[in-house]
Amino acid sequence: EAGVTQFPSHSVIEKGQTVTLRCDPISGHDNLYWYRRVMGKEIKFLLHFVKESKQDESGMPNNRFLAERTGGTYSTLKVQPAELEDSGVYFCASSQVRGEAPLHFGNGTRLTVT
Amino acid sequence: QKEVEQNSGPLSVPEGAIASLNCTYSDRGSQSFFWYRQYSGKSPELIMSIYSNGDKEDGRFTAQLNKASQYVSLLIRDSQPSDSATYLCAVNWRSSASKIIFGSGTRLSIRP
Repeated sequence: EAGVTQFPSHSVIEKGQTVTLRCDPISGHDNLYWYRRVMGKEIKFLLHFVKESKQDESGMPNNRFLAERTGGTYSTLKVQPAELEDSGVYFCASSQVRGEAPLHFGNGTRLTVT
Repeated sequence: QKEVEQNSGPLSVPEGAIASLNCTYSDRGSQSFFWYRQYSGKSPELIMSIYSNGDKEDGRFTAQLNKASQYVSLLIRDSQPSDSATYLCAVNWRSSASKIIFGSGTRLSIRP
């Protein structure tokens, strides 16, 4: 069984540019989560999808961040325009049961905004 | 008060000893609790999950949960150098039924 895959593994962009991160969850996992870890801080919740629906997006920092999960399969997280404080590692995770089952993490995308 | 609190460490433990990692959480309604291990530059990997009060053992790892005290811990017996990592406590946020919230992690170092 393939795990959670994220692409790209690294991205370096300039302030003001746009970046799109992609996450492919484990097949059959309806629940997909995005998290972010800024250097020295805890892993912060961004949002949660159940299939294609956003269940909780209370952790999204601002309207420069847009997450989609069309068709309930893979998800994308777009940052437009990127700011310096957006730098960090963006993790995607999936699970079978909402809130009660362990999360399976992807390897993360390290985003650097210069 | 932070939602999930952990001592950031570093916690230094001699090889072969017991490492004890602690976590407190603020949402009384939380029902699911997880311990993840994260090596530097890697993604978190699940070590233990616990849902009921008491102890749960898996090999060298024991998770302990006390919902009345809003406290969860992880014990690592016979600590090995390969156990050196950051240990993350995670709790489901019952009020939203969706979120799983992480603590900032405790850095554990096992000295030979």
